[in-house]
Amino acid sequence: SQQGEEDPQALSIQEGENATMNCSYKTSINNLQWYRQNSGRGLVHLILIRSNEREKHSGRLRVTLDTSKKSSSLLITASRAADTASYFCATDAMDSNYQLIWGAGTKLIIKP
Amino acid sequence: NAGVTQTPKFQVLKTGQSMTLQCAQDMNHEYMSWYRQDPGMGLRLIHYSVGAGITDQGEVPNGYNVSRSTTEDFPLRLLSAAPSQTSVYFCASSYSRGENIQYFGAGTRLSVL
Repeated sequence: SQQGEEDPQALSIQEGENATMNCSYKTSINNLQWYRQNSGRGLVHLILIRSNEREKHSGRLRVTLDTSKKSSSLLITASRAADTASYFCATDAMDSNYQLIWGAGTKLIIKP
Repeated sequence: NAGVTQTPKFQVLKTGQSMTLQCAQDMNHEYMSWYRQDPGMGLRLIHYSVGAGITDQGEVPNGYNVSRSTTEDFPLRLLSAAPSQTSVYFCASSYSRGENIQYFGAGTRLSVL
């Protein structure tokens, strides 16, 4: 019952370039979150955007949400080697009874 | 604060064995969850708890039991391990239902032979 689907599945860019990854979902949501997972580690929360918000910034991260298209994008500007990780979106659906629904993730590789 | 602590980090079991994965948090969070992560897939919820004494099933509960006797601890028990349970298991906790921002442990990598 995965709700979130992310694309691309993998992305490889040069250090300094911007990275954009997308998340689509199926039902109405309360909010959408993005998490980062470094290899062999647990997930770390990056940013949350509520259903009534269209854009949110945190440092080099920019998240947009289009509820009419049921999609979100995460932009990482001026990428660094340390940004190499997998990125996951998670949706808190309105009828979810606490359960977050996770996408399969985008694996981002930053080449030096 | 240690955050969310999971033990063990690695475990190898034989088919049919049972074991308990431990999870403890020191943030006084009400909500705790167990997920499994398989290659190429997002996290799938196994069981969750909204407070001490209250647990419920997630998307993939079969073969697993949980209990929540205290706010801090949320152990996951594998009743009779099967190769299909080979996975990485994550415990997470969150403070409020409203935003449900989850804090994760480092994970337990389990192999069932």
